[in-house]
Amino acid sequence: DAGVIQSPRHEVTEMGQEVTLRCKPISGHDYLFWYRQTMMRGLELLIYFNNNVPIDDSGMPEDRFSAKMPNASFSTLKIQPSEPRDSAVYFCASSLNGGIYEQYFGPGTRLTVT
Amino acid sequence: GENVEQHPSTLSVQEGDSAVIKCTYSDSASNYFPWYKQELGKRPQLIIDIRSNVGEKKDQRIAVTLNKTAKHFSLHITETQPEDSAVYFCATSHQGGKLIFGQGTELSVKP
Repeated sequence: DAGVIQSPRHEVTEMGQEVTLRCKPISGHDYLFWYRQTMMRGLELLIYFNNNVPIDDSGMPEDRFSAKMPNASFSTLKIQPSEPRDSAVYFCASSLNGGIYEQYFGPGTRLTVT
Repeated sequence: GENVEQHPSTLSVQEGDSAVIKCTYSDSASNYFPWYKQELGKRPQLIIDIRSNVGEKKDQRIAVTLNKTAKHFSLHITETQPEDSAVYFCATSHQGGKLIFGQGTELSVKP
């Protein structure tokens, strides 16, 4: 298995632009998580899905952020409009049976908003 | 509410010494306690985990202990090596399927 796949690996954009991050979980995993990592705030859970259904989006910072999982093998995290404070590394992770088994992280997307 | 406190935030040891990182949690229903290692510029990766029906688990130089009564668990690394230098995160399970992560400990092993 190729593991969790994320694209792009790096994204540089200007303030106000729309940003879309993509994730392909490990085949067969039924949970998918989106995290944001910064030096100041550490590793934050933004939203997670079970069987393609959003379970908890309480970590999504504001309405500019949205996430979808149209099928079991694909998810997107969208920021519109982007702001400099959104600059961070965004990780996608997947697991079997949620929080009681290992979460496998993707390589992350480093987002820079200028 | 759900909370995981991790200490220390930074830890510097000499090669060959032991390192201990401690976490406390608030949710008594937590039953899964993993530890992740994140090297610079890389993704977090699981290094060891423990479940609530076990008090201690060991894997070569790494061990984790759990005290459910006191709601704390610890990571122990013996005979540290420079390649152990990384950020370590503890986490606890939460109902509904998510993990609650600690703030991270930056471990530096000096040769």
